[in-house]
Amino acid sequence: GAGVSQTPSNKVTEKGKYVELRCDPISGHTALYWYRQSLGQGPEFLIYFQGTGAADDSGLPNDRFFAVRPEGSVSTLKIQRTERGDSAVYLCASSPTGNYGYTFGSGTRLTVV
Amino acid sequence: DAKTTQPTSMDCAEGRAANLPCNHSTISGNEYVYWYRQIHSQGPQYIIHGLKNNETNEMASLIITEDRKSSTLILPHATLRDTAVYYCIVRPKTSYDKVIFGPGTSLSVIP
Repeated sequence: GAGVSQTPSNKVTEKGKYVELRCDPISGHTALYWYRQSLGQGPEFLIYFQGTGAADDSGLPNDRFFAVRPEGSVSTLKIQRTERGDSAVYLCASSPTGNYGYTFGSGTRLTVV
Repeated sequence: DAKTTQPTSMDCAEGRAANLPCNHSTISGNEYVYWYRQIHSQGPQYIIHGLKNNETNEMASLIITEDRKSSTLILPHATLRDTAVYYCIVRPKTSYDKVIFGPGTSLSVIP
């Protein structure tokens, strides 16, 4: 596609529920990154993939968070037993090979009530 | 990773040049300086990057000091649509490593 697509754009869920957030990167981009952003703060790194494998998952806050990219393209961020503190905008970005800037999607706004 | 320091906020009159400073005194020789901006309710947008030479593209110019310890992003003729948070980041040249965002500079372009 022309850009990074994230779905849904908004998600409201109840505390304790499971959610999945999807990211469609730009075709051919091998690197894919997940960030989350709380109001008034810069994006906070969660995890990044190089192809199908998670090259760095050091930013995942705890084991309720998990992400996959089974075919090296689309990625899904999964959050189990959601908590109100998980409410944020979840951003996905992709990058081609080489030293280029990221292209970000518009994010998924997650609200846990 | 090297860290960056930016002013929290700045104002600029519409039509004037906006000069956004960034300090990165611990930058390593193989680290590039990147700039992104984030307009309200959108994801961050890549603007420009450079190693040691000044760079210019259709969006902005990047001036890096000779010692590479600081840089300035220049928007030559700021418009209201340039109101955004601007992030200065350093990142190794040959790496897919994560980009670490600080709080950035909130630029307000004033009519």
